Amino acid sequence: EVQLVESGGGLVQPGGSLRLSCAASGFTFSTYWMHWVRQAPGKGLVWVSRINSGGSSTNYADSVKGRFTISRDNAKNTLYLQMNSLRAEDTAVYYCARAYDMDVWGKGTTVTVSS
Amino acid sequence: EIVLTQSPDFQSVTPKEKVTITCRASQSIGSSLHWFQQKPDQSPKLLIKYASQSFSGVPSRFSGSGSGTDFTLTINSLEAEDAATYYCRQSSSFPWTFGQGTKVEIK
Repeated sequence: EVQLVESGGGLVQPGGSLRLSCAASGFTFSTYWMHWVRQAPGKGLVWVSRINSGGSSTNYADSVKGRFTISRDNAKNTLYLQMNSLRAEDTAVYYCARAYDMDVWGKGTTVTVSS
Repeated sequence: EIVLTQSPDFQSVTPKEKVTITCRASQSIGSSLHWFQQKPDQSPKLLIKYASQSFSGVPSRFSGSGSGTDFTLTINSLEAEDAATYYCRQSSSFPWTFGQGTKVEIK
């Protein structure tokens, strides 16, 4: 079964850091682009970042550029999102999604930035 | 950044009725437009890719059309299970963007 499972969310103070993980299974992880998408409480979907299959090319939303870093470990079938200098407006459910099409999504992990 | 504007924001529909949701892009994006469905407390699911290609396993009552700046998602003969929020998303240029969403409620 194709599956993505996010982890690493939690409560963090403004200015703090958090690293999210997305464990992939049931497919050849190393051949797919991967994305992070977030959704603030009661709000819509926002694309955050993307990484190519080999990890050599990345893109970011302007709102996170310079603060967030996407990476991957193809040997461990895992996608990461390092989040630094967190702000209240980063509070959201963070989803990982597979491929250019975003054809498979995880269930998400919740990040709350609050003092 | 390409802005996607969906209309309407909300629609209340009776079962078996036809639903039409539009997505307008702030500049031409060719056919790089995709549609997602998100039910309450669930992750989004891909419905339509590249404007009109149905994703595997999606019921045939869902269809997409359009190109350039104007796109449409149509749900023929709405079923109760179709209650959800629908989003369009563009992959023409980074940053990729989503529309604000259209909530479909069943009367």
